[in-house]
Amino acid sequence: RKEVEQDPGPFNVPEGATVAFNCTYSNSASQSFFWYRQDCRKEPKLLMSVYSSGNEDGRFTAQLNRASQYISLLIRDSKLSDSATYLCVARGGGNKLTFGTGTQLKVEL
Amino acid sequence: EAQVTQNPRYLITVTGKKLTVTCSQNMNHEYMSWYRQDPGLGLRQIYYSMNVEVTDKGDVPEGYKVSRKEKRNFPLILESPSPNQTSLYFCASSLWAGGRIGELFFGEGSRLTVL
Repeated sequence: RKEVEQDPGPFNVPEGATVAFNCTYSNSASQSFFWYRQDCRKEPKLLMSVYSSGNEDGRFTAQLNRASQYISLLIRDSKLSDSATYLCVARGGGNKLTFGTGTQLKVEL
Repeated sequence: EAQVTQNPRYLITVTGKKLTVTCSQNMNHEYMSWYRQDPGLGLRQIYYSMNVEVTDKGDVPEGYKVSRKEKRNFPLILESPSPNQTSLYFCASSLWAGGRIGELFFGEGSRLTVL
């Protein structure tokens, strides 16, 4: 079982839709979590950190469920520019960062 | 402009010909790391460095070497490249504060093909 698992997608959604991705992690000692965004053939960039209480940044909401060991990313009012691959990242003991393989989102007209 | 710079961005080489991919950051970050990204496998860490002269193996270090003689530079060395090292490589850096790695800043990537 992979340490961090994501549905690869692609998720094809119309513009304006709300879409949610989940990411599960197997290491219960994981301390922090992040969502990175990666455009095709580009470098990953931090989208948002995920806090225990959940956090929101504009149209994006991230939540953590430690009991079930998953984190989620919700995107409201999807834009064409949201089309990208979203990488889930878990930081474990010793500051080891483990990346998921990513979920591809395609927002269509 | 704060950035991580990798060179070369694209390289085609042949088996056994030593090569170095350079990485430089101008943000005075303590932490630097190399990743390779392959389809279906995601980003996997090759080596990382907490500070000058401090390096350690990641998940897939075989066939690679690194050095950290200066804070800003973290070159990746392939002594004898093989076709299974064909991949997209990313260098990343981060602040190291309070015992934690912060946001990772990635270079633009180096696409390496080994024939």
